[in-house]
Amino acid sequence: AQSVSQHNHHVILSEAASLELGCNYSYGGTVNLFWYVQYPGQHLQLLLKYFSGDPLVKGIKGFEAEFIKSKFSFNLRKPSVQWSDTAEYFCAVSGNQGGKLIFGQGTELSVKP
Amino acid sequence: DAGITQSPRHKVTETGTPVTLRCHQTENHRYMYWYRQDPGHGLRLIHYSYGVKDTDKGEVSDGYSVSRSKTEDFLLTLESATSSQTSVYFCAISDGTSGRETQYFGPGTRLLVL
Repeated sequence: AQSVSQHNHHVILSEAASLELGCNYSYGGTVNLFWYVQYPGQHLQLLLKYFSGDPLVKGIKGFEAEFIKSKFSFNLRKPSVQWSDTAEYFCAVSGNQGGKLIFGQGTELSVKP
Repeated sequence: DAGITQSPRHKVTETGTPVTLRCHQTENHRYMYWYRQDPGHGLRLIHYSYGVKDTDKGEVSDGYSVSRSKTEDFLLTLESATSSQTSVYFCAISDGTSGRETQYFGPGTRLLVL
């Protein structure tokens, strides 16, 4: 079955700490991978996406993610978090037909000032 | 931000009553989706639409129906609301189905079924 797993449910960091959020997927065939963010009280918005090429993808607000095919992983990273990064982060995967997204459970990030 | 609105934004209803949620877009995107968001489950696809009068079921479609009579509107109906349908409902749109397109999300509707 197709699935996405985010291992960390709630992460608490201090400002300037480095961030890495895990994402593993189970999906047959070619995959397209996404990270979405939901700031408190707001709708989901795209952070970054990967579908081919350089496995290290850079997104908005200093975020990046690395696709490691052998590990079925697409972890999200940021070298130095800010209080404004407090949000819930969702990893998602789609195939090459239909455009339907399968989401992980989400990781809530709290950044202490 | 993509032009997506959802109405109502908040609703409280009683078990057994029908409820209709509306998603309206001004982007002229062909593809529209309804998701529900629940703690510990992320977002799960309820129904989606590939065009006017062209809809299909998603992962958690039981108890829900949809209609799309115009490109800009996608309606989600809970035929007889149950407490398990208490959730936050998000509409999304995209302009293709290759799998690489970004989906743009609406602001959400928070539904409480008593």
